[in-house]
Amino acid sequence: DAKTTQPPSMDCAEGRAANLPCNHSTISGNEYVYWYRQIHSQGPQYIIHGLKNNETNEMASLIITEDRKSSTLILPHATLRDTAVYYCIVRVVDSWGKFQFGAGTQVVVTP
Amino acid sequence: NAGVTQTPKFRVLKTGQSMTLLCAQDMNHEYMYWYRQDPGMGLRLIHYSVGEGTTAKGEVPDGYNVSRLKKQNFLLGLESAAPSQTSVYFCASGSGFSGANVLTFGAGSRLTVL
Repeated sequence: DAKTTQPPSMDCAEGRAANLPCNHSTISGNEYVYWYRQIHSQGPQYIIHGLKNNETNEMASLIITEDRKSSTLILPHATLRDTAVYYCIVRVVDSWGKFQFGAGTQVVVTP
Repeated sequence: NAGVTQTPKFRVLKTGQSMTLLCAQDMNHEYMYWYRQDPGMGLRLIHYSVGEGTTAKGEVPDGYNVSRLKKQNFLLGLESAAPSQTSVYFCASGSGFSGANVLTFGAGSRLTVL
């Protein structure tokens, strides 16, 4: 699985959009980009994933650059409940086995 | 539909005692995982299973054993607990749709070893 790089922390004002970057410059053509988040003391929660097209669901949007070397998770209207650690993970399509999380980005949404 | 259930939620052990953490999922998932998370740290994979009767080592397997005798259950055992195993343990199960890896996590089991 390709390595990912995320900033260790970022702040966001409540009600504003939160844009979380992830660099995955060594990604292969058969690897998905996944985002999970972990609210304090809880188990991680799946947010969204994508291969090369932009994706949107009820939680967030995922924008993947044309060369697929980086992506951005967008929380359109951040709330205090979005304060969490966000993990960007790259994995080969339809592969299981080891599923490892990196350090992630600590996002703090402030009033 | 309960999802992933971990028992117990909290446990205090003395050094050298043994215990088993149970993870149960009702989603008919093939894949199951055990992670540990120390304070201020990320998740580290202990063991995982890609199907009933199979298990494999993750990043930090030492001091732990696992079994997957039934598809819906994944047990994590500590034979002789050590203070270094004080942590929060998370279980997850996985399903794939359109080739994607989506994990569902339990609420966690907080273990303290004195």
